[in-house]
Amino acid sequence: GAVVSQHPSWVICKSGTSVKIECRSLDFQATTMFWYRQFPKQSLMLMATSNEGSKATYEQGVEKDKFLINHASLTLSTLTVTSAHPEDSSFYICSARDSRAGDGGHTQYFGPGTRLTVL
Amino acid sequence: GQNIDQPTEMTATEGAIVQINCTYQTSGFNGLFWYQQHAGEAPTFLSYNVLDGLEEKGRFSSFLSRSKGYSYLLLKELQMKDSASYLCAVRDSNYQLIWGAGTKLIIKP
Repeated sequence: GAVVSQHPSWVICKSGTSVKIECRSLDFQATTMFWYRQFPKQSLMLMATSNEGSKATYEQGVEKDKFLINHASLTLSTLTVTSAHPEDSSFYICSARDSRAGDGGHTQYFGPGTRLTVL
Repeated sequence: GQNIDQPTEMTATEGAIVQINCTYQTSGFNGLFWYQQHAGEAPTFLSYNVLDGLEEKGRFSSFLSRSKGYSYLLLKELQMKDSASYLCAVRDSNYQLIWGAGTKLIIKP
């Protein structure tokens, strides 16, 4: 089945530092990956759509200079939270589409998520 | 605007059946998804409906009526491990996923 990994699973950092989160599709190639943020007891919020070899598409209200996305290969996308602040503390989840899937690649498979705490 | 509605919380008994409803109003429709999310974990895919009718997968079934903008997730023979949030998501005409807020399902012995 389609497996997506994320690293690290959790990270604690000081305010003002940058944190990089990796998202990998382990057994399939993903031309499109998605980055979500989820605050406690709230639903998923799409931050951006990451396309291999091109610039990410950011959702309204998401600062592209703060949340840097790089999708350099068909199996890896990275999200870098620059100059992190306590309000950036959240659960960050990536997902990827598996084009081999029987539904034509419509289904998103999620990574396990990264819990970021900014002190 | 686009909107997905599902109950905030439901309670059911172990071994019983529960139906979680989802209604949607979106600009176009290109499929409806159900995901399960345990507390502190990422969502896991349960089902995908794009045509009207019932899709069955073991203890879980999902139903879609496009004319009514309505779907439900049916869970049979409930187990304690089914306690989780269940997220309904609809893909609109731009192929963007619109997410519901999720239904927290509490299973009691």
